[in-house]
Amino acid sequence: GAVVSQHPSWVICKSGTSVKIECRSLDFQATTMFWYRQFPKQSLMLMATSNEGSKATYEQGVEKDKFLINHASLTLSTLTVTSAHPEDSSFYICSASGFGDTQYFGPGTRLTVL
Amino acid sequence: SQELEQSPQSLIVQEGKNLTINCTSSKTLYGLYWYKQKYGEGLIFLMMLQKGGEEKSHEKITAKLDEKKQQSSLHITASQPSHAGIYLCGADLMKTSYDKVIFGPGTSLSVIP
Repeated sequence: GAVVSQHPSWVICKSGTSVKIECRSLDFQATTMFWYRQFPKQSLMLMATSNEGSKATYEQGVEKDKFLINHASLTLSTLTVTSAHPEDSSFYICSASGFGDTQYFGPGTRLTVL
Repeated sequence: SQELEQSPQSLIVQEGKNLTINCTSSKTLYGLYWYKQKYGEGLIFLMMLQKGGEEKSHEKITAKLDEKKQQSSLHITASQPSHAGIYLCGADLMKTSYDKVIFGPGTSLSVIP
């Protein structure tokens, strides 16, 4: 099946710094990528949907200036958490799909902000 | 083999019929989530189950967790075309801390008017 990777898998950073998370589709072209966030023992919550070459669509309540999403190519999307704070500590998962195809999930990135 | 399996893989039902989708884990379940996906859209969270025997309902959708059997079922009563989509179960397989959510392969549901 299709493979989606994320990097890094785990990151610890100081409060106030920015962190970039990469999501790559390794063996297929992803026209759409989704970014999710999961708090401990809670459900995944969709943050934004990004289509290659266009601006991401953010879900209600998600700050677009804080969570910058770039989908520059058909195989790469990045999520940058700007000026991270401890409350941003969470698990971030991306998924990717081709043309209206199944979503394939990445392994996730655990962010801890000190 | 996958840690989470779903059955059936796909389902076509007549509007008004009831249906059940099953999600079975090869490991102990500490949390089970049900999601719905419409083609090309993000996942929509439906329900979360954490305790064995727990049952939750939302509108015409009911989900149960059988912890002993490491299985959850999603039941839709009087299906409607709006129920069509892909249903995914996700599982939390860690007890003491959260880790990545493991997803099942999905069940594609079509409802014929």
